[in-house]
Amino acid sequence: ETGVTQTPRHLVMGMTNKKSLKCEQHLGHNAMYWYKQSAKKPLELMFVYNFKEQTENNSVPSRFSPECPNSSHLFLHLHTLQPEDSALYLCASSQGRAGVPYEQYFGPGTRLTVT
Amino acid sequence: GENVEQHPSTLSVQEGDSAVIKCTYSDSASNYFPWYKQELGKGPQLIIDIRSNVGEKKDQRIAVTLNKTAKHFSLHITETQPEDSAVYFCAASTGGFKTIFGAGTRLFVKA
Repeated sequence: ETGVTQTPRHLVMGMTNKKSLKCEQHLGHNAMYWYKQSAKKPLELMFVYNFKEQTENNSVPSRFSPECPNSSHLFLHLHTLQPEDSALYLCASSQGRAGVPYEQYFGPGTRLTVT
Repeated sequence: GENVEQHPSTLSVQEGDSAVIKCTYSDSASNYFPWYKQELGKGPQLIIDIRSNVGEKKDQRIAVTLNKTAKHFSLHITETQPEDSAVYFCAASTGGFKTIFGAGTRLFVKA
């Protein structure tokens, strides 16, 4: 266990559904991340939060809506997704401050299928 | 934009042989280079990292080398074992919260 949990582990949703992914970290970190992992492509950074404030939004479509109520919890709200959004969504956390990179700890991911 | 190229995409070795994975990065300001291993059904986990003030780092059977002039860095696994079979990702960061990942190398170690 890495100290980062994600629920659900698997999700199948229609294009008109609304669902949410949840991530929780038990490591005392201040930064949390959402990544999208598609087959044979590099991990794509979606959002970064540091001390609950969003610091990165990597041109993600508005059908993905992140929420970070505190440094331990991160959500990704999904609505009107497209089939090409099917992927593994990974959450990660790290210590961190601007200008100093730290190791990221990843959760097991949520396998999302959009039908 | 910032980019990390990783080769090969697939690597198959015999148990006991060495495996080498190579990466190049585009942003000369990159100063932190982690390597992650991802097993089936799990998220990536850090196996070794190197910072730009160091040319080489070793941890048991795993070593990483960095050539800042050429913007190359490599992962070396010696005496490979079947449990080393996984997908390996290199990455580069200029600091802070943004890390650029390579596309991954699927390593197969044949017993």
